[in-house]
Amino acid sequence: AQTVTQSQPEMSVQEAETVTLSCTYDTSENNYYLFWYKQPPSRQMILVIRQEAYKQQNATENRFSVNFQKAAKSFSLKISDSQLGDTAMYFCAFMKLHRDDKIIFGKGTRLHILP
Amino acid sequence: DVKVTQSSRYLVKRTGEKVFLECVQDMDHENMFWYRQDPGLGLRLIYFSYDVKMKEKGDIPEGYSVSREKKERFSLILESASTNQTSMYLCASSFPGQKANYGYTFGSGTRLTVV
Repeated sequence: AQTVTQSQPEMSVQEAETVTLSCTYDTSENNYYLFWYKQPPSRQMILVIRQEAYKQQNATENRFSVNFQKAAKSFSLKISDSQLGDTAMYFCAFMKLHRDDKIIFGKGTRLHILP
Repeated sequence: DVKVTQSSRYLVKRTGEKVFLECVQDMDHENMFWYRQDPGLGLRLIYFSYDVKMKEKGDIPEGYSVSREKKERFSLILESASTNQTSMYLCASSFPGQKANYGYTFGSGTRLTVV
């Protein structure tokens, strides 16, 4: 069975700083997807970034980028130039390629951006 | 804009009541999911469905059932609500095979309190 571990339950950084959220996962699959989701206080889950396991290049979306280390089964999220609107719960998630495309989520990291 | 709509944002129900949580998506997605979210536990899959009238148990199906009579609607049923079912419930949908769009679209959640 796949598992996703986020070792940082809560973090705080000053506005404009760079912050990295950690995530490790365990799987015997070779082809899969990894995601970071953001859940702000409004509760709406938003997909931040996705990564295909067989792509070597790390995914990037504006200020958000990942460091994907397949051999180490590590998938960290870096937020550059953090903004107050980045304050949210962040979930790392795993999906193996399958008909039912179930996603397994980590327990989340609560990120506070301080003014 | 694509949407997953959950019928209630907040619900308060009494112990022993039968509770229906409704979810509707307008994207013609095949797969739909119900998760519950609890602090420190992340998101846990209750049930999912990959076709009309099809359903599969997730990780924590006990005390719940589901119904999917139409493609766009996926209902979560608490047969006899108990206080340990007080939680945030998130509905999501996806279209398997849309590689560029892997990942769920979520509803905005229903916070259920059972008293």
